Amino acid sequence: EAGVAQSPRYKIIEKRQSVAFWCNPISGHATLYWYQQILGQGPKLLIQFQNNGVVDDSQLPKDRFSAERLKGVDSTLKIQPAKLEDSAVYLCASSTQGGPQHFGDGTRLSIL
Amino acid sequence: QKEVEQNSGPLSVPEGAIASLNCTYSDRVSQSFFWYRQYSGKSPELIMSIYSNGDKEDGRFTAQLNKASQYVSLLIRDSQPSDSATYLCAVVHAGGTSYGKLTFGQGTILTVHP
Repeated sequence: EAGVAQSPRYKIIEKRQSVAFWCNPISGHATLYWYQQILGQGPKLLIQFQNNGVVDDSQLPKDRFSAERLKGVDSTLKIQPAKLEDSAVYLCASSTQGGPQHFGDGTRLSIL
Repeated sequence: QKEVEQNSGPLSVPEGAIASLNCTYSDRVSQSFFWYRQYSGKSPELIMSIYSNGDKEDGRFTAQLNKASQYVSLLIRDSQPSDSATYLCAVVHAGGTSYGKLTFGQGTILTVHP
């Protein structure tokens, strides 16, 4: 079974620039999650999709972050404009409804 | 009070010893609990799930759950250097506006030295 695919693996940008991350979940997983993991901390949920609908985006900084999952399969997360404090690993995970989450390898974002 | 709190660590144990990792949670009605292992530079990997009070064993790993005390732990027997990683406790909320949301603790760094 193919796992959760994410790209790119690494990204370096300057503050105030924009960046986008892509995620393709495990086939058949209706639920997709984006997490932000700052060094030394546990992952923090940014947004959760059930198919193409948003279930929870309460911790998503909506003034600069946006995410979509238009066809209910793959998803993109965008940051515009980026701030220094956005430096983190962005993890995508997927699950069946109520099942355990499986994580992709993440995108390591560095803001200069 | 943090929603999910783990012992701060780092935890260092000799090879062959038992490593004990602890986690407390604040959502009294939570029903699902997970332990993830995260190697440096890698993504979290699910190693144990537990839903009922008591112990659940899988190889060298034992998860223990006490809902009355809002406490979940992970024991690693016969610890190996390859067990050196950050261990994340995660709890699924079962009530209110956070229903179904998975919240992670901050993680405990475990080092197993030869």
